[in-house]
Amino acid sequence: AQTVTQSQPEMSVQEAETVTLSCTYDTSESNYYLFWYKQPPSRQMILVIRQEAYKQQNATENRFSVNFQKAAKSFSLKISDSQLGDTAMYFCAFMKQNSGYALNFGKGTSLLVTP
Amino acid sequence: EAGVAQSPRYKIIEKRQSVAFWCNPISGHATLYWYQQILGQGPKLLIQFQNNGVVDDSQLPKDRFSAERLKGVDSTLKIQPAKLEDSAVYLCASSPFGLADKLTYEQYFGPGTRLTVT
Repeated sequence: AQTVTQSQPEMSVQEAETVTLSCTYDTSESNYYLFWYKQPPSRQMILVIRQEAYKQQNATENRFSVNFQKAAKSFSLKISDSQLGDTAMYFCAFMKQNSGYALNFGKGTSLLVTP
Repeated sequence: EAGVAQSPRYKIIEKRQSVAFWCNPISGHATLYWYQQILGQGPKLLIQFQNNGVVDDSQLPKDRFSAERLKGVDSTLKIQPAKLEDSAVYLCASSPFGLADKLTYEQYFGPGTRLTVT
């Protein structure tokens, strides 16, 4: 079974600063996908960014980027120019290819952006 | 396009009672997932449907939980009888994955149903 570990239960960052959320995973698979999802308070889960394991280039979506280290099984999320609306729970998730494509989530990191 | 709809949004029941949740996926999405999210944890897959067939229900507590997907569209998740440890948010997600011309695996989540068992 694949396990996803987020070692930072809570983090705080000031507006306009940069913050990095950590995620490690354990798998014997070679083909898989990794995701970061955002869950604002009392609001639904939305996809922030995704990375295909076969791609060496790190994914980027506007202010969000990842540092994917396949050999180290590490997948961190960097949020640049943090905004108050970034306050949310952030979940790292693993998806095994050819398994029905269900998501295996970490426990999450609660991010607070302060003025 | 309309997103994933779930109802009710909140439900409070006593232990040993039964409860049902409803999910309407995004139109045309072949695959539907139910996840259980206990407070302080990440969501955990309960069951996955592709069209109206079950793909994976290995983590569904089948002695008390049941689910069905009507005509490959709407889905209901039932708990009977409920236990205190079933208190959680139940998330429904859908994905185009499984359609002949759709290879994307991205999942779209509904707002969830928050269940409190007292």
